[in-house]
Amino acid sequence: DTGVSQNPRHKITKRGQNVTFRCDPISEHNRLYWYRQTLGQGPEFLTYFQNEAQLEKSRLLSDRFSAERPKGSFSTLEIQRTEQGDSAMYLCASSFGTGGAGELFFGEGSRLTVL
Amino acid sequence: GQNIDQPTEMTATEGAIVQINCTYQTSGFNGLFWYQQHAGEAPTFLSYNVLDGLEEKGRFSSFLSRSKGYSYLLLKELQMKDSASYLCAVRDRAGGSYIPTFGRGTSLIVHP
Repeated sequence: DTGVSQNPRHKITKRGQNVTFRCDPISEHNRLYWYRQTLGQGPEFLTYFQNEAQLEKSRLLSDRFSAERPKGSFSTLEIQRTEQGDSAMYLCASSFGTGGAGELFFGEGSRLTVL
Repeated sequence: GQNIDQPTEMTATEGAIVQINCTYQTSGFNGLFWYQQHAGEAPTFLSYNVLDGLEEKGRFSSFLSRSKGYSYLLLKELQMKDSASYLCAVRDRAGGSYIPTFGRGTSLIVHP
């Protein structure tokens, strides 16, 4: 399968713990996005990479959140000192440039539950 | 930023036609997308409009009017499997990053 891969698919953690999610984009895609989605809402933008450079970060993103994309390949999203409000589906998406549609291809998501 | 508005929920009958509207406000419009999302699954790409007019793809069509900040997704010959959330997303070139912003989605329920 050459789609976007995310893991873990599910993570249950206690408040205050750190969690890390990994995203492997489609190999030829240079753009990578992280979104967060809660029930009944659309995906909310978190951060964006073009190759290895993090070019955009949502103002809503607290400093407990950090993302990396070393070597412009896979990406990780870390949440430190998790809070119950962090419970959500974390979606990773990738795309290739903006020529034509440049549509996003989404992974299956990583569902976080903070107890 | 963008302000994207779409109805929360719609219901329709199998075999019928349904139109899902989306209105938006943006300063640097660079394309509008429609995605389908089944419960518990990832969004999947349906259509893309950057110029005014209608784009047809099988049972699905999408329309765009940039001057009105308006789009719709038209689903024909509805099937039960079309029950899903339909997300309107607008890409903005502000800041040069071209990041799509999503609406909250329209939950479509198709009944027999």
